[in-house]
Amino acid sequence: AQSVTQPDARVTVSEGASLQLRCKYSYSGTPYLFWYVQYQRQGLQLLLKYYSGDPVVQGVNGFEAEFSKSDSSFHLRKASVHWSDSAVYFCAASITGYQNFYFGKGTSLTVIP
Amino acid sequence: EAAVTQSPRNKVAVTGGKVTLSCNQTNNHNNMYWYRQDTGHGLRLIHYSYGAGSTEKGDIPDGYKASRPSQENFSLILELATPSQTSVYFCASGGINTEVFFGKGTRLTVV
Repeated sequence: AQSVTQPDARVTVSEGASLQLRCKYSYSGTPYLFWYVQYQRQGLQLLLKYYSGDPVVQGVNGFEAEFSKSDSSFHLRKASVHWSDSAVYFCAASITGYQNFYFGKGTSLTVIP
Repeated sequence: EAAVTQSPRNKVAVTGGKVTLSCNQTNNHNNMYWYRQDTGHGLRLIHYSYGAGSTEKGDIPDGYKASRPSQENFSLILELATPSQTSVYFCASGGINTEVFFGKGTRLTVV
């Protein structure tokens, strides 16, 4: 069955520290992969997406993610976090890229001053 | 800019009552989705649509109906609301080779 797993429900980091949020997917092929962010009481906003090509994709606000086919992973990274990055982050996958998205359960990020 | 508008933003309903959540998109997207978000479950797909007149069951359709009367509008209907349907509901729209855009959510409480 298709699934997306985010193993860390909560992550806390200090402002200025580096960040990695983990995402693993289970699909019969290679899906299109996405990271979304949800600020408190808001809808989801797209951070970045991977369709093909360079496995490292750049997103908004200094975020990047790296696709690994061998590891079935799509981890999100940021070199230096800011307090405003505190939010819930969702990894998602779609076999077509535009239909039937499967979401992970989300990782709640808290950035402490 | 792409826009997905949900109404109402907050709703309190009584058990056994009928609830309709509305969604409007101005993106001219063919695909529309209804998700619910619960702590520990992330987003789960309830119903989706590929265009006006079509509705498809998602992963958790029981207790919900959907209606897509036009390209712009997609409704989620709870004929007999139950407390287990207390949740935050998100509508989204997307097209071929476009990202999916989400509304701001509807917080539903069934008492």
